[in-house]
Amino acid sequence: DQQVKQNSPSLSVQEGRISILNCDYTNSMFDYFLWYKKYPAEGPTFLISISSIKDKNEDGRFTVFLNKSAKHLSLHIVPSQPGDSAVYFCAARNRGQLTFGSGTQLTVLP
Amino acid sequence: NAGVMQNPRHLVRRRGQEARLRCSPMKGHSHVYWYRQLPEEGLKFMVYLQKENIIDESGMPKERFSAEFPKEGPSILRIQQVVRGDSAAYFCASSPPGLAGVNEQFFGPGTRLTVL
Repeated sequence: DQQVKQNSPSLSVQEGRISILNCDYTNSMFDYFLWYKKYPAEGPTFLISISSIKDKNEDGRFTVFLNKSAKHLSLHIVPSQPGDSAVYFCAARNRGQLTFGSGTQLTVLP
Repeated sequence: NAGVMQNPRHLVRRRGQEARLRCSPMKGHSHVYWYRQLPEEGLKFMVYLQKENIIDESGMPKERFSAEFPKEGPSILRIQQVVRGDSAAYFCASSPPGLAGVNEQFFGPGTRLTVL
């Protein structure tokens, strides 16, 4: 039973354009959502997070949107840069435990 | 300003041997979490510990796996009598004291376990 789903295993975007990564969840007990970026052979690096009581959080080029009624969140990266190419994981928190999606490989083409 | 440290980075074991994975949290962090990532999958929660206490082990297999976070020293994830299906990347994360999980978890580089 996948409680956090990232339905797109991969996404390619041109440099300078917007990257939109999507994530859906089923458990309404999640109170906090996070995005992590991961390079091969490294641990995930925290990017940005959002509380379940908010609908938007922005940090530089990264914005996370949360639609609680649809149980959907998205990460927008504008403008996309080649260095953003990595696997992006969406995670949802319930009492300290993070549940991760399966990841989306983002490739930003120069 | 050391981050979360894990060692070894790579570990090879034969079936039936024991694997010991170590995690030193970031300075000042008192919460430790272990996750496992199988190939082509996301990270799966295993266990959440504070110093000398297991808070949540709902993701740990019932047999062969154990974890500890002693008062002194690193957290240890121990896998007894390893099988091929235990081959995976094991990640440790830590977070500061306070409301559990309020702060984001910082991850180590992982230990890649290969069981021959």
